Amino acid sequence: DGGITQSPKYLFRKEGQNVTLSCEQNLNHDAMYWYRQDPGQGLRLIYYSQIVNDFQKGDIAEGYSVSREKKESFPLTVTSAQKNPTAFYLCASSIRREYNEQFFGPGTRLTVL
Amino acid sequence: QQQVKQSPQSLIVQKGGISIINCAYENTAFDYFPWYQQFPGKGPALLIAIRPDVSEKKEGRFTISFNKSAKQFSLHIMDSQPGDSATYFCAASPGQKTSGSRLTFGEGTQLTVNP
Repeated sequence: DGGITQSPKYLFRKEGQNVTLSCEQNLNHDAMYWYRQDPGQGLRLIYYSQIVNDFQKGDIAEGYSVSREKKESFPLTVTSAQKNPTAFYLCASSIRREYNEQFFGPGTRLTVL
Repeated sequence: QQQVKQSPQSLIVQKGGISIINCAYENTAFDYFPWYQQFPGKGPALLIAIRPDVSEKKEGRFTISFNKSAKQFSLHIMDSQPGDSATYFCAASPGQKTSGSRLTFGEGTQLTVNP
């Protein structure tokens, strides 16, 4: 089955700890994205990558970091510098062409205790 | 200029009724307008999308109407069903021609269809 997997589904962390969210896709997509979703605020872009070993900041990159060492993987680290990390995090991928559909993973709900 | 404004925030309709959700944008570089449907605890899924070379696109019970001069587009759900109850997001992208394929999302509309 082709798709995007995110793990874990639920994640709890203590304040001051870094945590890494996993995103893997086997769709052979070039581009991958990380979004944050908060109630009533839609989806906001954190980082995106259009090709391996390259990524760009989105609208709310502060307190987050990413890497893109492999085409199929785009992990997101939520650092202790992120002031309000509790949220639903969504990973997406797309073929790198015009008017391309973004496919979303099932999401990871991060709660900071 | 990157914003997409969506309304209403929530919508309740009766089964069989028409649901209408509206979006407006400012950035004239946007040229791809998808709508996503999201069920609780799940990732969004593409419902229907339109490009500005057409004013309307229909897929089953779902129709996008697009008004380029007003910079507005809307989703119409005909014969709304309880199974349509979900959060709907409009989005916009400049495609690959300018700044890549990143999407800018509206704030979302929570649709409830009563039986």
